Amino acid sequence: NAGVTQTPKFQVLKTGQSMTLQCAQDMNHNSMYWYRQDPGMGLRLIYYSASEGTTDKGEVPNGYNVSRLNKREFSLRLESAAPSQTSVYFCASKPNDSYEQYFGPGTRLTVT
Amino acid sequence: GENVEQHPSTLSVQEGDSAVIKCTYSDSASNYFPWYKQELGKRPQLIIDIRSNVGEKKDQRIAVTLNKTAKHFSLHITETQPEDSAVYFCAASRGGTASKLTFGTGTRLQVTL
Repeated sequence: NAGVTQTPKFQVLKTGQSMTLQCAQDMNHNSMYWYRQDPGMGLRLIYYSASEGTTDKGEVPNGYNVSRLNKREFSLRLESAAPSQTSVYFCASKPNDSYEQYFGPGTRLTVT
Repeated sequence: GENVEQHPSTLSVQEGDSAVIKCTYSDSASNYFPWYKQELGKRPQLIIDIRSNVGEKKDQRIAVTLNKTAKHFSLHITETQPEDSAVYFCAASRGGTASKLTFGTGTRLQVTL
């Protein structure tokens, strides 16, 4: 099992550019999540998907959109990147029969 | 929504000493409290968690205590070792299918020789 995978590992964008962060899990988990991590602020939930076909906003959804493409994949899109979106982005997944979330390796995004 | 506060932000202990990190939460409906360890440049990894029907849980050198009345929970690491050096995050959740986590701001633990 690869667990939770994320692509790309690193990305530099110019202000106004768009991009999609990809996340996939091979553990047959139902719930998936996107977090951002900024220095001194812990991890903050951007969006989550409790099951295939459903998505909901988290604590900091502005400037982002998500797609739960199928049970395995949950993507995060930045339509018009801003310097305030410079962060490390983590995807996570969780099975229905447990509360534990499993994290991917993260994507380090810099917006100049 | 839920608010989780974590203290201290940095903690330095000598090898072999104990370390204690404390968190408070605001939502009385929260019933799941995990602790994550994150090494530099790595992903957060769960080290221990506790449900609200339990007051204490131990796993070797690590223990977590929960006081539901006061809405606080703590991580205790005994006999610290250099490999315990990392950033530790507490979190709280109402559980359920989605089980959204609200994280504390983290504690950087440094274990010195």
